[in-house]
Amino acid sequence: EPEVTQTPSHQVTQMGQEVILRCVPISNHLYFYWYRQILGQKVEFLVSFYNNEISEKSEIFDDQFSVERPDGSNFTLKIRSTKLEDSAMYFCASRAGAGTEAFFGQGTRLTVV
Amino acid sequence: TQLLEQSPQFLSIQEGENLTVYCNSSSVFSSLQWYRQEPGEGPVLLVTVVTGGEVKKLKRLTFQFGDARKDSSLHITAAQPGDTGLYLCAGAFRQGGSEKLVFGKGTKLTVNP
Repeated sequence: EPEVTQTPSHQVTQMGQEVILRCVPISNHLYFYWYRQILGQKVEFLVSFYNNEISEKSEIFDDQFSVERPDGSNFTLKIRSTKLEDSAMYFCASRAGAGTEAFFGQGTRLTVV
Repeated sequence: TQLLEQSPQFLSIQEGENLTVYCNSSSVFSSLQWYRQEPGEGPVLLVTVVTGGEVKKLKRLTFQFGDARKDSSLHITAAQPGDTGLYLCAGAFRQGGSEKLVFGKGTKLTVNP
């Protein structure tokens, strides 16, 4: 069964460092998302990506964040200069089209120290 | 800003009991999805409801979408310890050309043997 895969599963980084979280969405899906979940809190929308551009982003997704789909298969989230409060689980999701189900990856646990 | 109110936040019941989880919003959803999330993992899709008034069944789980597509419920019959987990509702909202999922805070269900 097709699935969304994310790497790494766990990343520890020093405050101020750049991190890149990687996702391989389900093949032939057209819509891609990043979500964040701080420990014990709700799943929060960060950004949606369609047709090679950002279609919507939340207030959380400030200038420190960027997304790319560099090669037609990977979908990456970059945090330029990490802060302690960026520590969270980051989930990638993809869907085939508008109105269809979103499927989530297993997440990357980011710990900023 | 679209908000999803999910209740109750915590639920602890005995094996064999029935329960209902509610998801409400003042906004109209284009679709609504229910997920189950285990600690440290990504949300796993249970069901998608699209049509107002729609009812879907998944073994002992019954999902209902309100007629106005602003609310939904998840009913579990004869709960079992294996049902223990975090249940999330997520509403899909369309704005312009983009569509995103907005999550409720989740219901942490514990079924005691």
